[in-house]
Amino acid sequence: EDQVTQSPEALRLQEGESSSLNCSYTVSGLRGLFWYRQDPGKGPEFLFTLYSAGEEKEKERLKATLTKKESFLHITAPKPEDSATYLCAVQAPDSNYQLIWGAGTKLIIKP
Amino acid sequence: DTGVSQDPRHKITKRGQNVTFRCDPISEHNRLYWYRQTLGQGPEFLTYFQNEAQLEKSRLLSDRFSAERPKGSFSTLEIQRTEQGDSAMYLCASSPLGRGFIEQYFGPGTRLTVT
Repeated sequence: EDQVTQSPEALRLQEGESSSLNCSYTVSGLRGLFWYRQDPGKGPEFLFTLYSAGEEKEKERLKATLTKKESFLHITAPKPEDSATYLCAVQAPDSNYQLIWGAGTKLIIKP
Repeated sequence: DTGVSQDPRHKITKRGQNVTFRCDPISEHNRLYWYRQTLGQGPEFLTYFQNEAQLEKSRLLSDRFSAERPKGSFSTLEIQRTEQGDSAMYLCASSPLGRGFIEQYFGPGTRLTVT
């Protein structure tokens, strides 16, 4: 079964404490992996797209990496404004339009 | 253009009533998607439009749900005979037409509560 699993469910860090969020996937033939950020009461905001193992993308304090089985979202020296739920999704193998979503990791950065 | 907009932002209805939500995508975007999201879960795909054509619909979508996109601009999602299990956030997203899968831009969502 095609699925996306994110861990941990929630992560509390002190401001400046670096860490990583995990997204593991089981799909036949990865066509694209997407990271989104979602603030409470808002729609997801696009962050990164990764297509092949070894690929990396960076934006401010965030860096996304991809292997053949999982993706990591590394957050370096986080600030309280980085607090949000981070969602991972992969393109469904039998669709050009559907995404298979993980349940997200809720990140809380304490000042 | 300020992004994808949705109306209303919140809707409270009684079980058995019909509700309709509206989505206005980013003006240049040909692709439009509807999702449903419950607390602690990722978005669940409902349906997809390319211009005015509804090209894909989730197999999980009940017959009580219908969506339209007349003239390929705004879209509406109607839920008939609402049930308490329909309570969720309904998200709309849009993306430009292009080769391959293009990242989607989401609206703020409509939160539906069925009492």
